[in-house]
Amino acid sequence: GENVEQHPSTLSVQEGDSAVIKCTYSDSASNYFPWYKQELGKGPQLIIDIRSNVGEKKDQRIAVTLNKTAKHFSLHITETQPEDSAVYFCAAPKAGTALIFGKGTTLSVSS
Amino acid sequence: NAGVMQNPRHLVRRRGQEARLRCSPMKGHSHVYWYRQLPEEGLKFMVYLQKENIIDESGMPKERFSAEFPKEGPSILRIQQVVRGDSAAYFCASSPLAPEGTEAFFGQGTRLTVV
Repeated sequence: GENVEQHPSTLSVQEGDSAVIKCTYSDSASNYFPWYKQELGKGPQLIIDIRSNVGEKKDQRIAVTLNKTAKHFSLHITETQPEDSAVYFCAAPKAGTALIFGKGTTLSVSS
Repeated sequence: NAGVMQNPRHLVRRRGQEARLRCSPMKGHSHVYWYRQLPEEGLKFMVYLQKENIIDESGMPKERFSAEFPKEGPSILRIQQVVRGDSAAYFCASSPLAPEGTEAFFGQGTRLTVV
């Protein structure tokens, strides 16, 4: 089945810096890769996703890149702000069934 | 269009009691997923259901846990004879299509505390 590894587990940056979170997956058939943001006491919220037919996708300060050959994908946040502080999860689908999540990255942005 | 609704938000049960967690998916969504999150840990997949069918329950403990998604009404995650180790946040997500085809939307979770 699908196995998703996520690094780093914690990340501290200064406001305005960039943050990069990386994930690897095991199932070469996986074709959909979402990223979720979870704030304290809330459910995860989808912030961006990418499908295997593209290598990069951007949405304002957030971008995701995908390398299908190496089976890894990354989340890039530019010009970080304190409100970006949260736990971020990557995921990949287990064949024909549910999303399998990485263990999460706690991002802290200090002003 | 209301989001995924979970209730209760907080549930306290004594050891040995039963816990029932409810999830109403978004309108038009027929795929429901349950996840468990322990403090400072990731989201662990438990079970995937479509209307009236369990598609994948590989992440759910074999004993004491069960899930259903009836033709009418919400999906229910049931934990019998709860133990302290069951204390966690339980999240439900829904999607209109199978997970490889579209995004899944999460509810706010039910935080179960076993005392």
